[in-house]
This record gives sequence, C-alpha cells and structure tokens, in this order.
Amino acid sequence: KNEVEQSPQNLTAQEGEFITINCSYSVGISALHWLQQHPGGGIVSLFMLSSGKKKHGRLIATINIQEKHSSLHITASHPRDSAVYICAVPSSGGGADGLTFGKGTHLIIQP
Amino acid sequence: GAGVSQSPRYKVTKRGQDVTLRCDPISSHATLYWYQQALGQGPEFLTYFNYEAQPDKSGLPSDRFSAERPEGSISTLTIQRTEQRDSAMYRCASSLHPPGHPYEKLFFGSGTQLSVL
Repeated sequence: KNEVEQSPQNLTAQEGEFITINCSYSVGISALHWLQQHPGGGIVSLFMLSSGKKKHGRLIATINIQEKHSSLHITASHPRDSAVYICAVPSSGGGADGLTFGKGTHLIIQP
Repeated sequence: GAGVSQSPRYKVTKRGQDVTLRCDPISSHATLYWYQQALGQGPEFLTYFNYEAQPDKSGLPSDRFSAERPEGSISTLTIQRTEQRDSAMYRCASSLHPPGHPYEKLFFGSGTQLSVL
C-alpha cells in the first residue's frame, strides 16, 4: 500500500510570500490529487495530475513521477489561502483500491 | 444533484447503537468513495463503489462497518454497535471517472460528524 508523506506539517507565512508544500509517496502512481480543506471543513479538489505541471490562478502543482514527489506552490499568498492542503494518491498505484491521503499541511497566511 | 449531499450533517448516538449515514452523489458519477476523518488528521479510505459494485472494502475498520449502493446512486454507510472510537467525520466523494483515471476529479460532500457518547 502506498505511503504518503507531506511536509511541512504546519506552515505560517506572511501575506505575499511564495509557498511550497511537498508530497512524497512510496508506490508508483497513475495520478495524484491535491485537495484543499477549508477551516469550515469542506474539501475541494484543486488539481489532479499525472505528469509535469498544472497551473490554476496563483496555484501551481508539479509532479516528478520518477522521484515519486509532487509539490504545490502558491504565489503571492493571501490570508484566504489559509487552509489544510492534502495530497492523495492511489493506494496501490493503479487506483483500483481507492486513495491514500497525506495528513495534510496546515497553512496560515498572516496579513 | 448539483453537488454531493450527505445526511445527517451531525449525528450523536449512544455507544452500542447502530447508525446509518447517507450519501447522495452527483448524478451520473460512477465512482463513490467513503472516508473517515479524525480530528486533525487527513481522510482515511474506507471503501468505494463503481456503480453498485464494491471492488474494495479493505479500509473498513471492522465488520461492524458496512456500505451499500444497491442501485448505483445513493449509498449508505452503516456502523453497528457503535463505539466511542468511531467518533469522526465521515465523508463521501464521487467522481465521474474510475479511480486512477487521468481525468478523475473528486467532489466531496460536507460530511457527517458522528459523535458516539
């Protein structure tokens, strides 16, 4: 079963800073999800990527399949970016048995 | 429906009682997942459905937990003889595509917060 490690666990930064959150996994995968959990508890899917890089607004996600590593970047961070960011990968790599989630990175952006 | 709907939003029960949680996925979504999320932790996979089939239930913590999706749409998660350690947020998510599909995107419900006293 895939094991997922996220770092850092907690991150506090000032508004405007460039943020990087990392995710490493142990078993080769077909795709990786980045999710955002709001302070109110709702979870939103940010990205699903299988190679290279994706960009949406100020969010950029990259993945290196060979190194089994993905990063989520936030440019020009803003207090509304404060949330828990979670990466998730297929539990057995191919996806047939659900997803394994990281424990999340608690991000706080201070004004 | 417009989004993934879960009910009830909150459930408080006494130890030993059975509870049933409901998930109404986005219509036409083939895949439905159930997750358990303890406070301060990431979600933990419980089981998933591909329409009415249940290919994997390896994440269910014990045989007190069961899930159904008899007509391939609405799903229920039942916990029998609840224990205090079952207290958690139970989340449902649906996806148009199967797990691991290159275009899979998950849509999460708001969850059911279960408290076992």
